[in-house]
Amino acid sequence: QITLKESGPTLVKPTQTLTLTCTFSGFSITTSGVGVGWIRQPPGGALEWLGIIYWDDDKRYRPSLMTRLTISRDTSKNQVVLTMTNMDPVDTGTYYCAHRRGGSSRDFDYWGQGSLVTVSS
Amino acid sequence: AIQLTQTPSSLSASVGDRVTITCRASQGISSALAWYQQKPGKAPKLLIYDASNLERGVPSRFSGSGSGTDFTLTISSLQPEDFATYYCQHFRSFPYTFGQGTKLEIK
Repeated sequence: QITLKESGPTLVKPTQTLTLTCTFSGFSITTSGVGVGWIRQPPGGALEWLGIIYWDDDKRYRPSLMTRLTISRDTSKNQVVLTMTNMDPVDTGTYYCAHRRGGSSRDFDYWGQGSLVTVSS
Repeated sequence: AIQLTQTPSSLSASVGDRVTITCRASQGISSALAWYQQKPGKAPKLLIYDASNLERGVPSRFSGSGSGTDFTLTISSLQPEDFATYYCQHFRSFPYTFGQGTKLEIK
């Protein structure tokens, strides 16, 4: 059974760096084709794809956030970490991590419960 | 970046109705499209992958169709638990953008 869970601060001050951890079980991130993605959602807003890290440690980012965003992994701990620098109130929202299954399909079939992050002084 | 436009943005319907939501891509994406359902305070749930494949465990009243630029999600007979917001997402090229969502409400 695949599960993912996000953890990290609920409140971040403007200009600070956000670090969120996605702890997962039920799969290995080193299995060919597998990935873990990050998606966020502002309050009352739509989903926004942020980036993804793959089984081979390849990473892809949303172009508009590329200079602020880093996704890394710790295979020994079954964790993926999202780091976003220079946080702004517009970055307030719920942050999700999700499992990208291997094979030819590239959708997100399992999601974490989400972590609400508020950016405010 | 490829843009996805969902129509309508909101929809009122009754239990038992047949409902169709459309997702249009700004350029061809073959069949690299998924549909998700999201209820308030919950994570999205995968319904359809590769444009027309029903995810395991999802009721057969949900179906997806389309390829290229035009896609549809159809719910054949609305049930009370189907009232939610629906999103499409493409996987053709990075960034893997989502549509803006369609909120399905009870009439």
